[in-house]
Amino acid sequence: DVKVTQSSRYLVKRTGEKVFLECVQDMDHENMFWYRQDPGLGLRLIYFSYDVKMKEKGDIPEGYSVSREKKERFSLILESASTNQTSMYLCASSLGLKSFGYTFGSGTRLTVV
Amino acid sequence: DQQVKQNSPSLSVQEGRISILNCDYTNSMFDYFLWYKKYPAEGPTFLISISSIKDKNEDGRFTVFLNKSAKHLSLHIVPSQPGDSAVYFCAASTNTGNQFYFGTGTSLTVIP
Repeated sequence: DVKVTQSSRYLVKRTGEKVFLECVQDMDHENMFWYRQDPGLGLRLIYFSYDVKMKEKGDIPEGYSVSREKKERFSLILESASTNQTSMYLCASSLGLKSFGYTFGSGTRLTVV
Repeated sequence: DQQVKQNSPSLSVQEGRISILNCDYTNSMFDYFLWYKKYPAEGPTFLISISSIKDKNEDGRFTVFLNKSAKHLSLHIVPSQPGDSAVYFCAASTNTGNQFYFGTGTSLTVIP
């Protein structure tokens, strides 16, 4: 079974801090994704990557950047955290963009104070 | 704009009865649909899928129905069990698209 691991379960950061959220998958998947989940808004795609060093903006990339230096690792960066970035962040991976669904990590609950 | 909508934020059902979760979409180019289930403090897990060439797909207690003309899909769980209590997300994608669009989720509670 493919496993997607997010480094932190809970994070509390201060406004203006630079925040790194890490995600690692162990099944050699080509594609990795970062979503945020908010009540009433569902899952919204922030960024995705279909190859090392490749990235594409999703629906809500503002205030975020990503890094994929190795195939197994996809990092989400909040350049200057703001309170409206308080959310549940979910990382996912898939073999193909239209493959049999995504495998998600357990999520990181980020609170910006 | 929300391309995939789940208009019922929550649903309560007695154990043993049928649970019906609904999902509507606006993009007629969507041709592949998924349902995910999410427990608290866990990531969503894949449940069942359907492509637009079918109108029904069944997997054990779970059946997904697709009505392309109405741009509507539904997930039926029969019989419902307490362990089915979770948030359910539908998701859709186009043939040429590079992402899935997720609905807002429906929280299902199955009462023992």
